[in-house]
Amino acid sequence: SQQGEEDPQALSIQEGENATMNCSYKTSINNLQWYRQNSGRGLVHLILIRSNEREKHSGRLRVTLDTSKKSSSLLITASRAADTASYFCATSSGGYQKVTFGTGTKLQVIP
Amino acid sequence: DAGVIQSPRHEVTEMGQEVTLRCKPISGHNSLFWYRQTMMRGLELLIYFNNNVPIDDSGMPEDRFSAKMPNASFSTLKIQPSEPRDSAVYFCASSLAGVAGEQYFGPGTRLTVT
Repeated sequence: SQQGEEDPQALSIQEGENATMNCSYKTSINNLQWYRQNSGRGLVHLILIRSNEREKHSGRLRVTLDTSKKSSSLLITASRAADTASYFCATSSGGYQKVTFGTGTKLQVIP
Repeated sequence: DAGVIQSPRHEVTEMGQEVTLRCKPISGHNSLFWYRQTMMRGLELLIYFNNNVPIDDSGMPEDRFSAKMPNASFSTLKIQPSEPRDSAVYFCASSLAGVAGEQYFGPGTRLTVT
């Protein structure tokens, strides 16, 4: 079963707008990662946030983590057509920190 | 750095045939993962190796699937006999920081079983 569930499943925005994706999970985690997958390609790591962190930035990406709500959000600011991809959250939990990927959000940025 | 290398990129085979997928992880990485991705089930972890030793194979669907890692630079995923429901994209990933660290994915092998 999937640990993380992304919301929305699909998102379509105009270039220049901000895109926000959410990830909810069920059990306590060690860390949470966000990955991007372009069509027909492997996943690419974007950012990792630890369970004791609340916010992290990387370029145009901003990730927040609320462990009390068991949720995380990924914000992409000033979106570009090249940001069109599927975005997955991956949670690490348990004794050996098994990583489980969510269902993904498909983002389309319209030029 | 060449990244994670997978071969073949595409494989079409008939039901009942043996399929072998290959992966070369990034040099120096100590963890290797095999995933399967389908529209219905999303991205599923099949097996995870650490220092060439299988740590978690609970995601391997059934006995028809087997994986080996004879050395730090090579791994195989074998399906014997293959079935149409095995059709999927199979990804290999490697990590320097163990299972909870950043994973580097290969381009995947698209398997079609007819």
